[in-house]
Amino acid sequence: AQSVTQPDIHITVSEGASLELRCNYSYGATPYLFWYVQSPGQGLQLLLKYFSGDTLVQGIKGFEAEFKRSQSSFNLRKPSVHWSDAAEYFCAVARTTDSWGKFQFGAGTQVVVTP
Amino acid sequence: EAQVTQNPRYLITVTGKKLTVTCSQNMNHEYMSWYRQDPGLGLRQIYYSMNVEVTDKGDVPEGYKVSRKEKRNFPLILESPSPNQTSLYFCASMPRDSLSRYGYTFGSGTRLTVV
Repeated sequence: AQSVTQPDIHITVSEGASLELRCNYSYGATPYLFWYVQSPGQGLQLLLKYFSGDTLVQGIKGFEAEFKRSQSSFNLRKPSVHWSDAAEYFCAVARTTDSWGKFQFGAGTQVVVTP
Repeated sequence: EAQVTQNPRYLITVTGKKLTVTCSQNMNHEYMSWYRQDPGLGLRQIYYSMNVEVTDKGDVPEGYKVSRKEKRNFPLILESPSPNQTSLYFCASMPRDSLSRYGYTFGSGTRLTVV
């Protein structure tokens, strides 16, 4: 069965500093991988996704993520954080064969941005 | 506007009183899904549907029912709610043939409290 692990429950970063959020997955083949962001009191918004091809993917709001098959990781990065990036971030994995709709999410990483 | 609409946004109910949370999407999406979000656990999938009259269990289906009689609607039914079903619930939809481009689009959430 697939699973997703986000090792960091909480990260504090200064405005203007770089940010990296970790995501590790467990799946027999290469899955579809996603990062979502949830601002306080809001639903989830898709930041970016990976399913094949270039292992470095660009998303919205200046985020990027790199797929590393050897490490079963899909880490999210942003070079310079803005105060509006304070939110909870979720990594998700979808199977690429059957059960297309069966997305699994990690437990989330809460990002706090300090002045 | 393309969206997933859930109602109600907030609901307080008593143990054992049947309730239904409605979900509707106007994007003609084939896939629909229900998730619950709890602190430290991320989002866990309750049920999902691949099309009209086709549903399957997610990771935490116990205590919930769903139906998909029309493509646009996917109600979540709690026949006999219990306090451990107090949670934030999200409905989501996704087009079948565009998994790789869109992922799930989420509603704004329903905060349910069972006392």
